[in-house]
Amino acid sequence: KNQVEQSPQSLIILEGKNCTLQCNYTVSPFSNLRWYKQDTGRGPVSLTIMTFSENTKSNGRYTATLDADTKQSSLHITASQLSDSASYICVVGGGGNKLVFGAGTILRVKS
Amino acid sequence: DSGVTQTPKHLITATGQRVTLRCSPRSGDLSVYWYQQSLDQGLQFLIQYYNGEERAKGNILERFSAQQFPDLHSELNLSSLELGDSALYFCASSLLGLAGGGTDTQYFGPGTRLTVL
Repeated sequence: KNQVEQSPQSLIILEGKNCTLQCNYTVSPFSNLRWYKQDTGRGPVSLTIMTFSENTKSNGRYTATLDADTKQSSLHITASQLSDSASYICVVGGGGNKLVFGAGTILRVKS
Repeated sequence: DSGVTQTPKHLITATGQRVTLRCSPRSGDLSVYWYQQSLDQGLQFLIQYYNGEERAKGNILERFSAQQFPDLHSELNLSSLELGDSALYFCASSLLGLAGGGTDTQYFGPGTRLTVL
């Protein structure tokens, strides 16, 4: 069964600290993996997109890694800011038009 | 601002009624996707159109239907509404419409919040 599981479900960190969010998937075949940031009540915004051949991609303070062998991805946030408080969603593309969404990790950054 | 517009922003209606949600994609994008996000659930993919034709179907109920017009705007029609249909409905657009198979970026609109009373 094609699934995307994210952990932790929620996370609270202090401003300025780093954190890492995890995404494990069983989607097959695998085409690409995306990370989105969704502020409460707003549409998701794309952070990174990686294909099978890429194992790391950065977007400012956000760095995503991909291990296609173990079917795991992580999103590392460096020097967190209050504005990083949001839901982070991992989405795996399974070829064609198949997109499988994770349930998301809710991150709260506090001062 | 993603460049994707959705109207209306909010919609309150009663059970059994029918509503239409509208989406205008980013300039140049040919593909439109519809998603539902309930309070306690993640994003659920409903349906995708590419250049006027249905391309992929997700967990869309038979009471729901969509279409994409020649000017590429799209409408999502929800009928015989039930309390459980209350949710945020997002539209996204992309250039090529191959989101599952390539690196086509999806741009999401601000959403329409539907409340069914």
